Amino acid sequence: EDKVVQSPLSLVVHEGDTVTLNCSYEVTNFRSLLWYKQEKKAPTFLFMLTSSGIEKKSGRLSSILDKKELFSILNITATQTGDSAVYLCAVSGAGSYQLTFGKGTKLSVIP
Amino acid sequence: DGGITQSPKYLFRKEGQNVTLSCEQNLNHDAMYWYRQDPGQGLRLIYYSQIVNDFQKGDIAEGYSVSREKKESFPLTVTSAQKNPTAFYLCASRMGQGVNTEAFFGQGTRLTVV
Repeated sequence: EDKVVQSPLSLVVHEGDTVTLNCSYEVTNFRSLLWYKQEKKAPTFLFMLTSSGIEKKSGRLSSILDKKELFSILNITATQTGDSAVYLCAVSGAGSYQLTFGKGTKLSVIP
Repeated sequence: DGGITQSPKYLFRKEGQNVTLSCEQNLNHDAMYWYRQDPGQGLRLIYYSQIVNDFQKGDIAEGYSVSREKKESFPLTVTSAQKNPTAFYLCASRMGQGVNTEAFFGQGTRLTVV
């Protein structure tokens, strides 16, 4: 059974701080790890990490994948109040369409 | 516009009633998913389908049923056997197994038992 554990479950920071969100996983025949941001309703896609793409960066957000230690981190630098959201991590294994999510990290950025 | 449409956005159900949540996609995706989200929780997989007329149970399938008669549609029925159905339900779709891509989500249906 695939498993995703995210930490911390919640986090409160001040604007301008840098945060690191963690995601550890267990999956049969790893294929990809995905990060999503959920503000109110539909999660929106941030990054996908695979064996051939273990680092991604977009603006103030970046993510790395450690396939040996089975974890990923999502970094957000110079946080803004608009970064307040739940950040979800999901994994997918080869040979299966199943997409398994963790419980998410609720990030609150205060002015 | 391409995307996933869930309806209705809000749904109220009396105890003992079955209700069906709609999910339609025009992205030509093979795989479709139903997730349940409770307050402060992540997404828990109810059912998923990788092809028409085929679907698999997820982690919390008890009290739910699905069908996949058309590629575009993956309705979820919440039956009276589901003891605690009040939750936020999200539908997602994704391209086929040969292509490694992200999943796209609908806007969700909030179901409340009254």
